[in-house]
Amino acid sequence: TQLLEQSPQFLSIQEGENLTVYCNSSSVFSSLQWYRQEPGEGPVLLVTVVTGGEVKKLKRLTFQFGDARKDSSLHITAAQPGDTGLYLCAGASSNSGYALNFGKGTSLLVTP
Amino acid sequence: GAGVSQSPRYKVAKRGQDVALRCDPISGHVSLFWYQQALGQGPEFLTYFQNEAQLDKSGLPSDRFFAERPEGSVSTLKIQRTQQEDSAVYLCASSLSRYEQYFGPGTRLTVT
Repeated sequence: TQLLEQSPQFLSIQEGENLTVYCNSSSVFSSLQWYRQEPGEGPVLLVTVVTGGEVKKLKRLTFQFGDARKDSSLHITAAQPGDTGLYLCAGASSNSGYALNFGKGTSLLVTP
Repeated sequence: GAGVSQSPRYKVAKRGQDVALRCDPISGHVSLFWYQQALGQGPEFLTYFQNEAQLDKSGLPSDRFFAERPEGSVSTLKIQRTQQEDSAVYLCASSLSRYEQYFGPGTRLTVT
């Protein structure tokens, strides 16, 4: 059972465009992580957010954690082909202990 | 430094065979996790170790799945009498903190 819903599932854009992907849940999370996964590899941690309303920036990527700690968004400015990959959000809750609950991911393709 | 390593990277097993998947965590990481990732899905939690103690095995799908970490470092996930539905990527992650898990490249298991 995946508690986190990610949208859109697939996104194909051209280099230079901006995009936002969403991660939503009815559950409250103590922390939320965003990962990027490339084919044949494991997920690579991009960011962790722990405080409601928190905004973190990583170069062209902006991550936001909702005030109620139930949702998050990832915004990419001026996407590049190197941004192509599967973006996964994952949350830890008091019910899950140390286990992470993952969404199904957003598959992003950036074409030159 | 070295990241999480997993071996083998690919494993083909005939239905009914036993398999053993190995994970070498990042040195010094006390927490170790196993996840299962089916095609087109996000990773799903299987089990969690803190040092050599298996603190959570609630995600193991059946009693055919067994994991150990006898010396608090390397871990092995064993699947007995493999079934076709066991075909998936098995991911190992290690962590120093509750919030941030670092993943290995995974073992792709195909049961024929």
